[in-house]
Amino acid sequence: GQQLNQSPQSMFIQEGEDVSMNCTSSSIFNTWLWYKQDPGEGPVLLIALYKAGELTSNGRLTAQFGITRKDSFLNISASIPSDVGIYFCAGHYGGATNKLIFGTGTLLAVQP
Amino acid sequence: DVKVTQSSRYLVKRTGEKVFLECVQDMDHENMFWYRQDPGLGLRLIYFSYDVKMKEKGDIPEGYSVSREKKERFSLILESASTNQTSMYLCASNSAPGTDTQYFGPGTRLTVL
Repeated sequence: GQQLNQSPQSMFIQEGEDVSMNCTSSSIFNTWLWYKQDPGEGPVLLIALYKAGELTSNGRLTAQFGITRKDSFLNISASIPSDVGIYFCAGHYGGATNKLIFGTGTLLAVQP
Repeated sequence: DVKVTQSSRYLVKRTGEKVFLECVQDMDHENMFWYRQDPGLGLRLIYFSYDVKMKEKGDIPEGYSVSREKKERFSLILESASTNQTSMYLCASNSAPGTDTQYFGPGTRLTVL
């Protein structure tokens, strides 16, 4: 099955630094989603994007739906220790399909 | 708040055992999903169900089966567990066909010895 290419695979940063990660696909999506998984928990939705070029913020998080509809970006500003976790992108083709296609994940570690 | 619960957080089984992983959601969602999560591979869909007694194979269904006898409950079955099925298993649900957002349970970490 298709998977999305997500990079970087892992990041080790200092508290206060900004973080960028991205996701690319060979297919066009109608919706891009970004999830965060805290250690020992299931993923939780952070941001949903529904239109090409859309830029959406959620606190210190900002995500963008790429113009080509084949990529998406997530930025975290002024990172804090509780940002630690695995970040997943996911794409949805739209229509009646129930399936999401997930990225391979970015592991973020933040040193206080 | 949507709540998706999984019967066990940690499970240790022996090769060849039959294993049941249970998932329950309390929001009357039509769709339920089982994924496995492995480092570097992200989340891969095993099976999903869009209605009671209805199921569809995902990307990696081999070695697994599922059961959905009631709307709120979706079970993943490993008929004869093998060591390569050691993984984190995540259940998710959402409300209607085409709905993009999925709500996840906390996961079951299964170890097969």
